[in-house]
Amino acid sequence: EVQLVESGGGLVQPGGSLRLSCATSGFTFDTYDIHWVRQPTGKGLEWVSAIGTVDDTYYPDSVKGRFSISRENAKRSSFLLLTNVRAGDTGVYYCARKTVAGLDHWGPGTLVTVSS
Amino acid sequence: DIQMTQSPSTLSVSVGDRVTITCRASQSVSNWLAWYQQKSGKAPKLLIYMASRLDSGVPSRFSGSGSGTEFTLTISSLQPDDFATYYCQQYNSYSYTFGQGTKLEIK
Repeated sequence: EVQLVESGGGLVQPGGSLRLSCATSGFTFDTYDIHWVRQPTGKGLEWVSAIGTVDDTYYPDSVKGRFSISRENAKRSSFLLLTNVRAGDTGVYYCARKTVAGLDHWGPGTLVTVSS
Repeated sequence: DIQMTQSPSTLSVSVGDRVTITCRASQSVSNWLAWYQQKSGKAPKLLIYMASRLDSGVPSRFSGSGSGTEFTLTISSLQPDDFATYYCQQYNSYSYTFGQGTKLEIK
């Protein structure tokens, strides 16, 4: 069974940093792209990063230069480092597996709260 | 970046209704368009990919159509389990933008 589970969320002060993890199982991790998507409370989905199988990385302008995605194939995990965070970065962060079908499996999410 | 515009934002519907949701892209995304269903407090679930292909296990009352810049999600006969929020997402280019969502409410 394909599974993804996020961790590392919590309360962080504005300007601070936080590292999110996405642990996976049930599939050949190093052959799939991994994406991160966030959702502010009560609002819609926003794609925030992706990493390909050759460590190519992608970001929207809203987080470029502040977020950094990585992967460690031996640990079957992806990581999202959030730096210089703002109130607008508050929300649930999901990791998801990417296939030709889009994002076909998602984790349950981890909540990030940016507040002083 | 490619912008995705969904309509309507909210739809008041009843069980048994035929439901159509529209998604428009600011430029062509070919058929690289997916639809997701999200229930409150849960992660999104993939319903349709490549504009018209049903993901495994998705009921046949769901269907998708379109290409280029205009897409639709149709639910042929709404069931109680279908009350949720639906999002389109383009994956033609690495901006992977979502539409703003359409919430189905009980009439």
